[in-house]
Amino acid sequence: ETGVTQSPTHLIKTRGQQVTLRCSSQSGHNTVSWYQQALGQGPQFIFQYYREEENGRGNFPPRFSGLQFPNYSSELNVNALELDDSALYLCASSQTPGQPQHFGDGTRLSIL
Amino acid sequence: DAKTTQPPSMDCAEGRAANLPCNHSTISGNEYVYWYRQIHSQGPQYIIHGLKNNETNEMASLIITEDRKSSTLILPHATLRDTAVYYCIVRVPGTGGFKTIFGAGTRLFVKA
Repeated sequence: ETGVTQSPTHLIKTRGQQVTLRCSSQSGHNTVSWYQQALGQGPQFIFQYYREEENGRGNFPPRFSGLQFPNYSSELNVNALELDDSALYLCASSQTPGQPQHFGDGTRLSIL
Repeated sequence: DAKTTQPPSMDCAEGRAANLPCNHSTISGNEYVYWYRQIHSQGPQYIIHGLKNNETNEMASLIITEDRKSSTLILPHATLRDTAVYYCIVRVPGTGGFKTIFGAGTRLFVKA
């Protein structure tokens, strides 16, 4: 069984740019969630997708958006990047929204 | 806002049991308690979860008080590799889905 993989592992962008982060979920996992983790803090829930539709959202502005595809892959898109967007972005998948989540090791995004 | 309270850090001697407490006094009847841990530079790892009965798996035991307002994660024989940040969370039904809210966690140091 393959785990959750994220790409790229590190990324540097400048303010105002747009970024797309990618995640490949475990096979058979219909639910994917994205989290933002600032240095020294716990992960903060961004949103969740279930069967390709948004299924819950945390306190993040609309410039954070996502997509989930039928092949268990997903994307997190962030527009108009701000300095405070610098963080580790984590993807987690589960079989259903209520099941335990399996996390990837994240993408470290730095905004200059 | 996180609905759990954990001590910021704890120490444990290698080979001894590590008991990590968590308060969740506002937990509602249908919310589960989940524990995850995060080792430096990795994504969080699922450990165990429960509703109201005590649970045990190959990694740990979870003891939930009868009133469900607090719980304890027990690592029966801590090793140096158990040094990590441990998160206690409750699953919150979100807008059409589940939101997983992480607090700051407990940083466990296992010492030789």
